[in-house]
Amino acid sequence: DGGITQSPKYLFRKEGQNVTLSCEQNLNHDAMYWYRQDPGQGLRLIYYSQIVNDFQKGDIAEGYSVSREKKESFPLTVTSAQKNPTAFYLCASSILGQTRTFGSGTRLTVV
Amino acid sequence: AQKVTQAQTEISVVEKEDVTLDCVYETRDTTYYLFWYKQPPSGELVFLIRRNSFDEQNEISGRYSWNFQKSTSSFNFTITASQVVDSAVYFCALSEAFSGGSNYKLTFGKGTLLTVNP
Repeated sequence: DGGITQSPKYLFRKEGQNVTLSCEQNLNHDAMYWYRQDPGQGLRLIYYSQIVNDFQKGDIAEGYSVSREKKESFPLTVTSAQKNPTAFYLCASSILGQTRTFGSGTRLTVV
Repeated sequence: AQKVTQAQTEISVVEKEDVTLDCVYETRDTTYYLFWYKQPPSGELVFLIRRNSFDEQNEISGRYSWNFQKSTSSFNFTITASQVVDSAVYFCALSEAFSGGSNYKLTFGKGTLLTVNP
């Protein structure tokens, strides 16, 4: 079945560490997105990519980095510069201009 | 700037009750899209509906119905005869119309937590 796979489901990070969240899709979608969700908040866009080897900052890109070397993959790195990384991270993909399909998320906790 | 307001933070109902989730939006665009997503405890956002700004017809899908009123900038969602499986966070979202090469911005409300008790 086609879909979006995010891994791991739960991730724990020590202060000062970088961590990478994986997002893979087999929907042949051109565009991919990363969102952050905090309790009681809507989703906020971190980064998006509309084509391989190209990506753009969203509303809250500081402290995060991404790459898009393959159409199917859009990993997100949470760097030590992100001061409050504890959150739920959702990856999405879409055909350009169409409705986004979301993954099941990664819950990141700083310990 | 786009804005979506879901004034109801939490709603609790008893099974078989009808429940309406409110959504009010702000945009300067004349062409836009409205969405509802469901987020069950598993975390994944499940797409429910997309409606464009030129289509004000109400829509019904089984126990779900949507009331789009451009005059009041509202896109409310009603669940008829609610069930325990309807318990989830529901998000309303607004996007500008896709304009070629640009990313179309999708703005989410803060969500409404619906709890359906047996």
